[in-house]
Amino acid sequence: TQLLEQSPQFLSIQEGENLTVYCNSSSVFSSLQWYRQEPGEGPVLLVTVVTGGEVKKLKRLTFQFGDARKDSSLHITAAQPGDTGLYLCAGVSAASKLTFGTGTRLQVTL
Amino acid sequence: KAGVTQTPRYLIKTRGQQVTLSCSPISGHRSVSWYQQTPGQGLQFLFEYFSETQRNKGNFPGRFSGRQFSNSRSEMNVSTLELGDSALYLCASRTFSGRGGEGKLFFGSGTQLSVL
Repeated sequence: TQLLEQSPQFLSIQEGENLTVYCNSSSVFSSLQWYRQEPGEGPVLLVTVVTGGEVKKLKRLTFQFGDARKDSSLHITAAQPGDTGLYLCAGVSAASKLTFGTGTRLQVTL
Repeated sequence: KAGVTQTPRYLIKTRGQQVTLSCSPISGHRSVSWYQQTPGQGLQFLFEYFSETQRNKGNFPGRFSGRQFSNSRSEMNVSTLELGDSALYLCASRTFSGRGGEGKLFFGSGTQLSVL
């Protein structure tokens, strides 16, 4: 069974702070996706990283895929209240099956 | 373009009953997946259907079943409900390119099921 562990589980920070969320697995994935889920809604895809070592930026969010394609990180610069939500990583297997991480709940306060 | 639509939004059932949840994918999407989300277990994959055939299945008991119709709409059924089945059930659709192409997954807002 492929498992994806995210850390930290909870994060409460003030507006303007930086943060990093980690997604780790012992399994290799063909690609890795990051989602954000807001209360009462389904997850929304933020990014897909495919190549080991790949770095993608989405405004203040920077995503990195580990060289061995087993882990990933999400870095948010100057967090804003609008970044509040549940962040989920998801590993994609060769069979296109998604395995979701345990989730990181982020709260950004003024 | 309309998003993924799930009905009903909320549902309250009692133990032993059965329930059917519905999902209408984005027009043109032929793949529909179902997930269970709970605070303790997170988001867990139930099954995926493509062109009315189940392609992948997660590790859930046989009480959980699904089907897909020719118009790609999907239903999920849970029989003999247990307290532990209380969860947010999410449906997602995607264009499926096969051969490892995962496509972009679009989620609905979910059905919140409470079993009393």
